[in-house]
Amino acid sequence: GENVEQHPSTLSVQEGDSAVIKCTYSDSASNYFPWYKQELGKRPQLIIDIRSNVGEKKDQRIAVTLNKTAKHFSLHITETQPEDSAVYFCAPSMDSSYKLIFGSGTRLLVRP
Amino acid sequence: NAGVMQNPRHLVRRRGQEARLRCSPMKGHSHVYWYRQLPEEGLKFMVYLQKENIIDESGMPKERFSAEFPKEGPSILRIQQVVRGDSAAYFCASSPGTGSGTEAFFGQGTRLTVV
Repeated sequence: GENVEQHPSTLSVQEGDSAVIKCTYSDSASNYFPWYKQELGKRPQLIIDIRSNVGEKKDQRIAVTLNKTAKHFSLHITETQPEDSAVYFCAPSMDSSYKLIFGSGTRLLVRP
Repeated sequence: NAGVMQNPRHLVRRRGQEARLRCSPMKGHSHVYWYRQLPEEGLKFMVYLQKENIIDESGMPKERFSAEFPKEGPSILRIQQVVRGDSAAYFCASSPGTGSGTEAFFGQGTRLTVV
């Protein structure tokens, strides 16, 4: 089965700095690569996703890059704000709505 | 569209009791997924259902846990004879189908506490 690892497990940055979280997966059949944000006590919410035919996707301050050969994809947040503080999960899968295999999460803290 | 509705939001059960968690998918969605999240951990897939069918239950414990998605009504995740280790947040997600362009939306979760 899919083995998913996220690094780092915790990340603390100063407001305005950039944050990068990396997700490594094992199943070469994975073709859908989403990132979820989960605030304390709330549900996971999809913030950005990418499919295997695309190398990079950007949405305002958030971007995702994919290296399918090396089997990893990364979340990039620029100009971080305190409200970006949350736990971020990657969840590579073979389909956008089949079972998602979540990483263990990265706790991001943005210091004001 | 009310989104994916789960109830109850919080559930307290004594050891040995039964827990029933309900999930009403978004309107027009016929696929339901259940995930479990232990404290300080990621979500773990439990089961994937379509109306009246279990498609994939590879993440479901073999004993005490069962799930259904009847033709009418919500999907139910049932945990019999609960133990302290069952304490977790249980999230349901729904989607209109599978394939490119579809996305699973999560409910707010049910937080089960076993005392």
